[in-house]
Amino acid sequence: NAGVTQTPKFRILKIGQSMTLQCTQDMNHNYMYWYRQDPGMGLKLIYYSVGAGITDKGEVPNGYNVSRSTTEDFPLRLELAAPSQTSVYFCASSASGTSNYGYTFGSGTRLTVV
Amino acid sequence: AQKITQTQPGMFVQEKEAVTLDCTYDTSDPSYGLFWYKQPSSGEMIFLIYQGSYDQQNATEGRYSLNFQKARKSANLVISASQLGDSAMYFCAMRGDHASGGSYIPTFGRGTSLIVHP
Repeated sequence: NAGVTQTPKFRILKIGQSMTLQCTQDMNHNYMYWYRQDPGMGLKLIYYSVGAGITDKGEVPNGYNVSRSTTEDFPLRLELAAPSQTSVYFCASSASGTSNYGYTFGSGTRLTVV
Repeated sequence: AQKITQTQPGMFVQEKEAVTLDCTYDTSDPSYGLFWYKQPSSGEMIFLIYQGSYDQQNATEGRYSLNFQKARKSANLVISASQLGDSAMYFCAMRGDHASGGSYIPTFGRGTSLIVHP
């Protein structure tokens, strides 16, 4: 009953450091997404993937990179962390691109860059 | 392009009363879906209810119902008999249909904060 698993749940980074946020789903979903949520705001799409080996940029991709080598995993890489990347990051997945499929979210990663 | 607008930054309701959270949308996709998510203070995103653009009846899930008015492009969430545990942020979202050439990337509104008073 895992669904979408994100690790770590919390992290403090120093400016200029790098890290990878992990996201794994066990539902065999093809579509996966990374969002960030700033305080008091909605979700902004960073990157998304429609299947293994296929990724594309969302609304706010600068400062991030992704890869999708397997259906299950969709890690998000932060290079040279900046204070503006302080946010809560959510990974989500969906079974299909049809409009009646909802999204399963991970529990989020709260990242602080100091 | 898709757009979701939630105009109520905050709402207050008395316990056991009903409350309506507004959501309007804009899209050129012929087929789309509308979703509502709840985000309690613990931070997780919880799926509440779904409405398809071609569904004839308004969706209902327990105490949640969706007042879907296609002509007005609105998809308001109605919570009946509010409970203290309903206090949370609520997000409206939509996506198109990839197979129909629509935007299957979900678009989220900015959310409405609901506080239920005892």
